[in-house]
Amino acid sequence: EDKVVQSPLSLVVHEGDTVTLNCSYEVTNFRSLLWYKQEKKAPTFLFMLTSSGIEKKSGRLSSILDKKELFSILNITATQTGDSAVYLCAVSMDSNYQLIWGAGTKLIIKP
Amino acid sequence: NAGVTQTPKFRILKIGQSMTLQCTQDMNHNYMYWYRQDPGMGLKLIYYSVGAGITDKGEVPNGYNVSRSTTEDFPLRLELAAPSQTSVYFCASSIRAGLNTEAFFGQGTRLTVV
Repeated sequence: EDKVVQSPLSLVVHEGDTVTLNCSYEVTNFRSLLWYKQEKKAPTFLFMLTSSGIEKKSGRLSSILDKKELFSILNITATQTGDSAVYLCAVSMDSNYQLIWGAGTKLIIKP
Repeated sequence: NAGVTQTPKFRILKIGQSMTLQCTQDMNHNYMYWYRQDPGMGLKLIYYSVGAGITDKGEVPNGYNVSRSTTEDFPLRLELAAPSQTSVYFCASSIRAGLNTEAFFGQGTRLTVV
């Protein structure tokens, strides 16, 4: 069964800390891994990763994929209260149009 | 700059009632999706469409129906609402299949069935 597992399920840190969120997957015919940030409403796209070892970066956020070990990490440095959200990981496969979603990591940044 | 628009934002239904969740996108995307998100869970695909006139079942299609008469619109129909359908529903669209491109999401519809 195809699955995506995120850890931790929730995380509370103080402003300024650095956090690392994990996403591991077991799917057939992997094509890409996507990270989304979900605040109160709709998920918003962060990164799409297709190749191992190539870091994607956007401001204080960065992500990398390891296709051999079947996982990805999302790093957030110098966290701010605005980073508080649920971070979702999803994996797409060659074989169909579906995205397999993880349950998300709820990140709370305390001032 | 509308993107994906869903209506309504909130709805309470009684068991056995029916309703249609509306979804419209103005980006000329071929691919559209309906997801439901239960508390503490990831998104589950209900139905998807690869273009006008073409729809297919996702992971959890039971109790729902869709149609895609135009590129822009992808309504989701609940015929006989059940408490198990209490959830947050998201419509999404993408320019290509959700395989290698980002999906744009609507703001969600919070549905409660009592």
